[in-house]
Amino acid sequence: KAGVTQTPRYLIKTRGQQVTLSCSPISGHRSVSWYQQTPGQGLQFLFEYFSETQRNKGNFPGRFSGRQFSNSRSEMNVSTLELGDSALYLCASSLGPGVGGNTIYFGEGSWLTVV
Amino acid sequence: LAKTTQPISMDSYEGQEVNITCSHNNIATNDYITWYQQFPSQGPRFIIQGYKTKVTNEVASLFIPADRKSSTLSLPRVSLSDTAVYYCLVGNTDKLIFGTGTRLQVFP
Repeated sequence: KAGVTQTPRYLIKTRGQQVTLSCSPISGHRSVSWYQQTPGQGLQFLFEYFSETQRNKGNFPGRFSGRQFSNSRSEMNVSTLELGDSALYLCASSLGPGVGGNTIYFGEGSWLTVV
Repeated sequence: LAKTTQPISMDSYEGQEVNITCSHNNIATNDYITWYQQFPSQGPRFIIQGYKTKVTNEVASLFIPADRKSSTLSLPRVSLSDTAVYYCLVGNTDKLIFGTGTRLQVFP
């Protein structure tokens, strides 16, 4: 069974640009969540989608957005990139929402560097 | 929302048992505790999840005391390949928060 797939794995963008990251969840999983990981802030929750609806959102500015499609695949977008957005962006999927007795499985991440 | 605290780093030798503790004093009654392992440049990998008492699988055990304000991940007989960062995650269907991670270094 294929795991969570994220594309692209690595990318470099310039300040002010925007970026879109993609995530394909494990087959049958309907919940997709996104996280930002940086050396200074650790793993931080961005948002979660379940059945195409955003259920929860972390404490990030509106430049960070996402969506989920009917096949459960998800994208996240960051507009007007800043140097501080350089990070590993992780996508995770699970059968149901959240972690209440529900296991979240992570992808390998997308490394974003903003120059 | 529970705030989770972990030791920054731990050292061990091959063959020893390693216990990593996560403190979550404000854990909610519907929060679960999950542990992940992360290698450099990879996504976190699920190790074990529990709600109370003790859970064991083929790679680890998770001990959760009655008050649930802490949890301990136990790795039996570690090997060099267990060198990684270990995160505890406390959350429920609505909210979750990761610990700061514990960097485990295993020496030969």
